[in-house]
Amino acid sequence: QQQVKQSPQSLIVQKGGISIINCAYENTAFDYFPWYQQFPGKGPALLIAIRPDVSEKKEGRFTISFNKSAKQFSLHIMDSQPGDSATYFCAARGNSGSARQLTFGSGTQLTVLP
Amino acid sequence: DTGVSQDPRHKITKRGQNVTFRCDPISEHNRLYWYRQTLGQGPEFLTYFQNEAQLEKSRLLSDRFSAERPKGSFSTLEIQRTEQGDSAMYLCASTDPGIKGEKLFFGSGTQLSVL
Repeated sequence: QQQVKQSPQSLIVQKGGISIINCAYENTAFDYFPWYQQFPGKGPALLIAIRPDVSEKKEGRFTISFNKSAKQFSLHIMDSQPGDSATYFCAARGNSGSARQLTFGSGTQLTVLP
Repeated sequence: DTGVSQDPRHKITKRGQNVTFRCDPISEHNRLYWYRQTLGQGPEFLTYFQNEAQLEKSRLLSDRFSAERPKGSFSTLEIQRTEQGDSAMYLCASTDPGIKGEKLFFGSGTQLSVL
């Protein structure tokens, strides 16, 4: 059961452009929404995270936008750089029942062209 | 943080053989997680430990899988009678919720190929 749906599967952006990755969730018990970045041969690393009490969180070039009513959240990478080329995973977690553990999306492979 | 260490990085085995992986978490972290990641997919939760206690197991963790964390430090994940469907990256992660909150620190994983 895929509780977090991520799109697109792959994304190609020119250097300096904006990369946008979208996720949608089903379980209303989720209350923590992180984004992880994974380079080839490495484990995922936390990039940025948000809780549903705010609609946006920004850290440097990375911004999460959160729409609680639509049960959607997105990652925006401003001024994308070739070094941002990686696979990005959204995830979600709640505090009870089956939502207690992180559920990951299927990933977006981002390529930033120089 | 010195990082989460996993060993081996790669393991090739024949169907029916047993394999064991090791994870050394960041030293002060009391929680340790095992995830499985197949090609083109996100990590899937398998099990986690609070110190030496195994507190939760996913239904993905069949009875051929067993995990231990005997002294609350390193952990092992054993797969008995491996099947081709077990081929995946096995990721270990650790955290200390009292200090690091929600953040999981992942190792680089063990890539298992079952022939």
